[in-house]
Amino acid sequence: ELKVEQNPLFLSMQEGKNYTIYCNYSTTSDRLYWYRQDPGKSLESLFVLLSNGAVKQEGRLMASLDTKARLSTLHITAAVHDLSATYFCAVDQYNTDKLIFGTGTRLQVFP
Amino acid sequence: DAGVIQSPRHEVTEMGQEVTLRCKPISGHDYLFWYRQTMMRGLELLIYFNNNVPIDDSGMPEDRFSAKMPNASFSTLKIQPSEPRDSAVYFCASRQRRGGKNIQYFGAGTRLSVL
Repeated sequence: ELKVEQNPLFLSMQEGKNYTIYCNYSTTSDRLYWYRQDPGKSLESLFVLLSNGAVKQEGRLMASLDTKARLSTLHITAAVHDLSATYFCAVDQYNTDKLIFGTGTRLQVFP
Repeated sequence: DAGVIQSPRHEVTEMGQEVTLRCKPISGHDYLFWYRQTMMRGLELLIYFNNNVPIDDSGMPEDRFSAKMPNASFSTLKIQPSEPRDSAVYFCASRQRRGGKNIQYFGAGTRLSVL
């Protein structure tokens, strides 16, 4: 059974600082997704990582994938308050159409 | 495109009542997914459809839950009878056929409160 773990679960960081969120998964998969959810809102797709070594960047966020280690990272550079949200990673369960979501990382950026 | 549309946005009901949640997927998407989100259990997949056919309902918690997709543009999730532990946010998501990025697009959700 595919398990997806994220850490940390909660992250409080000061504006301007850098930090990384980690996503580990337990079995083979060929796609990994990062979503953002603002409080009381829906989930919005941020990145899709399709192969080993894939790196995607959008603004202050950069995601990478290491399929051998079954690890993805979401790196935040020089955080700003607008990045405050919950970030989920999700992994395609191999040979199915299911997405298995991690527990989410709640990010809070303060001045 | 208007995106995935869910209704109602909020539903408050009493225990034992029937609840019906509705979803209109993005036009042209072949897959439709129903999720439930709670603080305790996170985001759980309940059921998904491909070309209007239920493929996997192993996440449906009990027989009280049922889902239908009578056509490509409409799906319902019904709870009968509802219980307080069903209180959650229910999301619908849709996706194009397999291949490519396979991104799921989520609706705004229905926040259900069962009193």
